[in-house]
Amino acid sequence: DVKVTQSSRYLVKRTGEKVFLECVQDMDHENMFWYRQDPGLGLRLIYFSYDVKMKEKGDIPEGYSVSREKKERFSLILESASTNQTSMYLCASSLGSAGNTIYFGEGSWLTVV
Amino acid sequence: QKEVEQNSGPLSVPEGAIASLNCTYSDRGSQSFFWYRQYSGKSPELIMSIYSNGDKEDGRFTAQLNKASQYVSLLIRDSQPSDSATYLCAVGQSGGSYIPTFGRGTSLIVHP
Repeated sequence: DVKVTQSSRYLVKRTGEKVFLECVQDMDHENMFWYRQDPGLGLRLIYFSYDVKMKEKGDIPEGYSVSREKKERFSLILESASTNQTSMYLCASSLGSAGNTIYFGEGSWLTVV
Repeated sequence: QKEVEQNSGPLSVPEGAIASLNCTYSDRGSQSFFWYRQYSGKSPELIMSIYSNGDKEDGRFTAQLNKASQYVSLLIRDSQPSDSATYLCAVGQSGGSYIPTFGRGTSLIVHP
């Protein structure tokens, strides 16, 4: 089975703190994604990576950055957390060719106070 | 902007009935289609994928694809209260993109 692991499930951070969300997948997938999901807004893509050290902005990259130093690991960074970044963050991965299934991690619930 | 539309619901059906969830998409060149189930507070989990016109069955679930009409549907037979969840439709974009487009989901409530 595909396993996408988000190590931090529930976090509470203060405004202005730097936040790291880590994601690891064990299926040698080329593609990795970070989404956030808010009630009524659906899934919104923050960043996407199709290879090590490669990244593309998604629909809502402002306030976020990412790092992919190894194929299996994709990190989301909030440089200076703000209350409007309180959300559920979902990491996902897929094989490299187009049209492949995306598999999600369990999600990270972030509250910024 | 390529779009995937779903009725937000909630769709309410009695236990044992057939639940029918629908999804339309705008990208005529799309080749891959997915249904995810998401329980409240949990992450989406894949139910089915479908790539060709027609029906694909897996247990109580049937996905139906009609590329000419640009819709994909999910039928759940013998609905159970445990099927109560939000169902997300995802469509793979044409042109070799790795990024699918997700609908906002339909909330399904199966009442005893």
